[in-house]
Amino acid sequence: NAGVTQTPKFQVLKTGQSMTLQCAQDMNHEYMSWYRQDPGMGLRLIHYSVGAGITDQGEVPNGYNVSRSTTEDFPLRLLSAAPSQTSVYFCASSSLQGNSYNEQFFGPGTRLTVL
Amino acid sequence: AQSVTQLGSHVSVSEGALVLLRCNYSSSVPPYLFWYVQYPNQGLQLLLKYTTGATLVKGINGFEAEFKKSETSFHLTKPSAHMSDAAEYFCAVSGYNFNKFYFGSGTKLNVKP
Repeated sequence: NAGVTQTPKFQVLKTGQSMTLQCAQDMNHEYMSWYRQDPGMGLRLIHYSVGAGITDQGEVPNGYNVSRSTTEDFPLRLLSAAPSQTSVYFCASSSLQGNSYNEQFFGPGTRLTVL
Repeated sequence: AQSVTQLGSHVSVSEGALVLLRCNYSSSVPPYLFWYVQYPNQGLQLLLKYTTGATLVKGINGFEAEFKKSETSFHLTKPSAHMSDAAEYFCAVSGYNFNKFYFGSGTKLNVKP
């Protein structure tokens, strides 16, 4: 199993450009999520999904879109990049255990710089 | 709503000393609890988890944590710190019925020679 994969590993954008960060998992996990990590602010949840066709907003959703057309993929779209979106982005997935979610498995991260 | 509080954004210990990283959560029902470690420029790796059963949970690299419902705490400990333990540690909670995960703000552990 590859686990959770993310592409690209690094990206530089200009203000106003759009792009999609890719995330895929091969563990048949129901739950997938996107976080951004900034110095001194820990992990902040952007969007999450509890299954194909179901997404919801997290703590910091503005400027980002997601969709979940398959169980495996959960892309994150930046509509019009801004310098404030410079960050490290992590994708994670988890399986259901009873009525709660088990531990999340994290991808290696995408380091994004917006100039 | 659930939240997670990690006391101390930076903790410094000497090599061989006890490591204690604090985590408290707010929840109306017992949640699932996790500790993750992040080494520089890497992703997050699970250290240990509590779901049900024994409240003292042992993880990788000699770490353990105890779930104390009465104190709503899940503190992480290691009897003897090693230089390789220097990293950032995150406590996380998941709730019931399709709730999302909640992460603490992280604690950076520095280990002095």
